[in-house]
Amino acid sequence: DTAVSQTPKYLVTQMGNDKSIKCEQNLGHDTMYWYKQDSKKFLKIMFSYNNKELIINETVPNRFSPKSPDKAHLNLHINSLELGDSAVYFCASSHTARLEGISGETQYFGPGTRLLVL
Amino acid sequence: AQKITQTQPGMFVQEKEAVTLDCTYDTSDPSYGLFWYKQPSSGEMIFLIYQGSYDQQNATEGRYSLNFQKARKSANLVISASQLGDSAMYFCAMREGSNTGNQFYFGTGTSLTVIP
Repeated sequence: DTAVSQTPKYLVTQMGNDKSIKCEQNLGHDTMYWYKQDSKKFLKIMFSYNNKELIINETVPNRFSPKSPDKAHLNLHINSLELGDSAVYFCASSHTARLEGISGETQYFGPGTRLLVL
Repeated sequence: AQKITQTQPGMFVQEKEAVTLDCTYDTSDPSYGLFWYKQPSSGEMIFLIYQGSYDQQNATEGRYSLNFQKARKSANLVISASQLGDSAMYFCAMREGSNTGNQFYFGTGTSLTVIP
């Protein structure tokens, strides 16, 4: 019954490898996000999709490529992994903010994927 | 300028005491929402409380309350009767109404330790 799920939960891999992280939400939300949380716990937005369309694309190396096959899924593929990619990656989802005013709907986060690049 | 500023990297509180975690924000949008999240050592992000810019009253959720001072652009989280399980990182976040990107801006977090 998990609202936002991510797989895998842990990912240990060698430098230079390519890996993917999958995210699924069953909340009926139309917006999904990827965040990176570094060792200092700082949360950095990477991407956001609204109805399968990319709407936020922060300064992220182009080795990172998000893919949204449908509104309920947002996957993250990382090419040529580097040591600095080691972090926790969170997927989140929310409703779109209402045009007439801010939506009180929060983001719901997945459990995180702990990526360690050796 | 930072959208969300949390100036307390770490805080300590005695069990059963109240504690205030500071958060200031920066926006020119009249419509916005403010959120607090808790991240325990297990790593998950837990939504705690929400305050809308047009809300007249301060938000409360159980032992959590939000001290919203619009003119000062502050949205401090107050935890009453602290418990050992409150030890965690706490993040303040903001969402602007006109932001079509639906972006949430996060602060750098405050690490709270509850002392028995």
